[in-house]
Amino acid sequence: SQKIEQNSEALNIQEGKTATLTCNYTNYSPAYLQWYRQDPGRGPVFLLLIRENEKEKRKERLKVTFDTTLKQSLFHITASQPADSATYLCALDRNTPLVFGKGTRLSVIA
Amino acid sequence: GAVVSQHPSRVICKSGTSVKIECRSLDFQATTMFWYRQFPKKSLMLMATSNEGSKATYEQGVEKDKFLINHASLTLSTLTVTSAHPEDSSFYICSARKAGEQYFGPGTRLTVL
Repeated sequence: SQKIEQNSEALNIQEGKTATLTCNYTNYSPAYLQWYRQDPGRGPVFLLLIRENEKEKRKERLKVTFDTTLKQSLFHITASQPADSATYLCALDRNTPLVFGKGTRLSVIA
Repeated sequence: GAVVSQHPSRVICKSGTSVKIECRSLDFQATTMFWYRQFPKKSLMLMATSNEGSKATYEQGVEKDKFLINHASLTLSTLTVTSAHPEDSSFYICSARKAGEQYFGPGTRLTVL
């Protein structure tokens, strides 16, 4: 069966550092991989989408990589700020409903 | 971007009653909407796919007679939790696609006493 793993349930980093979150998957060949941010008691907010033929994508302080050989995506937040503290979800997509990982709860400490 | 709204944001009901949750795409039309459920500290689990003008498609293990879905227009899908029980207490989130990207509503917190 399809499996998505986000490497850490929780990650604490110091303000200003780069946060790196990992998403691994098995038994799936996604056409896209998406990253979302979810704050407590709120719905997920779309951040970035990367296609299977793209290696890297950037948006402001965010960077996503997608390695279909390793079946892995890395999500980076550079110059992290306390306001970046949230749960980040990766989701696999093949033009069907998204399949989500459990998320990584990021805490950026001032 | 795109905006998806949900109403209500919170609802508390007695066991055995029914609750209706609305999901609207505000600035685009959605022939398909998705309903997810999320328990505390767990990931979003897809419950069903709502199709405008036709029957919803339910995921395995989700009772279609308990979770009634109606997608009467291109901007509105409703989820009715019938005869709610405490174990149905959860965070329900709807979603719709626009140009390949999936946008989520703010969620509805259901508490069944």
